[in-house]
Amino acid sequence: DGGITQSPKYLFRKEGQNVTLSCEQNLNHDAMYWYRQDPGQGLRLIYYSQIVNDFQKGDIAEGYSVSREKKESFPLTVTSAQKNPTAFYLCASSIFTSGTVQFFGPGTRLTVL
Amino acid sequence: KNQVEQSPQSLIILEGKNCTLQCNYTVSPFSNLRWYKQDTGRGPVSLTIMTFSENTKSNGRYTATLDADTKQSSLHITASQLSDSASYICVVSATDSNYQLIWGAGTKLIIKP
Repeated sequence: DGGITQSPKYLFRKEGQNVTLSCEQNLNHDAMYWYRQDPGQGLRLIYYSQIVNDFQKGDIAEGYSVSREKKESFPLTVTSAQKNPTAFYLCASSIFTSGTVQFFGPGTRLTVL
Repeated sequence: KNQVEQSPQSLIILEGKNCTLQCNYTVSPFSNLRWYKQDTGRGPVSLTIMTFSENTKSNGRYTATLDADTKQSSLHITASQLSDSASYICVVSATDSNYQLIWGAGTKLIIKP
């Protein structure tokens, strides 16, 4: 099956802890993205990557970090510096970053206890 | 300020009925407009993508229209089914880049039997 997978589906974190969200795709897409979704708001871009070993900050990158060591993988770390991390996190990919449809994973719901 | 506003915020209709969702945007310049369907707790799925020159585009029972002069778009759903219950999100791009998308907050549609 081709697609994007995210794990875990639910994640609970204590304040002060870093957590890493996994995102894997087997669509052979160059571009990958991380979004945050909060109730009643549109998706907000955290980070994106156009190619392996390259990534750029989005609109709300503070308190987050990413890596892109492999084309298939784009993990997101939510650090303790993120003041309000409870949200639904979505990973997406597209063939390129320009003019192509994005395909989304099923999401990870992060809750800070 | 670039914004995308959707109305209504939520809508309840009976199975088999038609409905129309609205999207107004102030994004400038304009490259393309997209409609996504998002089931609860899942990632968004692309329905249509329209460029400046396209007035209408269909995907099965979903028909999107675009009026670039008035900066309005609508998504019409024909003969609704229970599986149409979801949030429908309008997304506008000022450039051809997927990392510069302006996301609406969505319309939550509930189909009742």
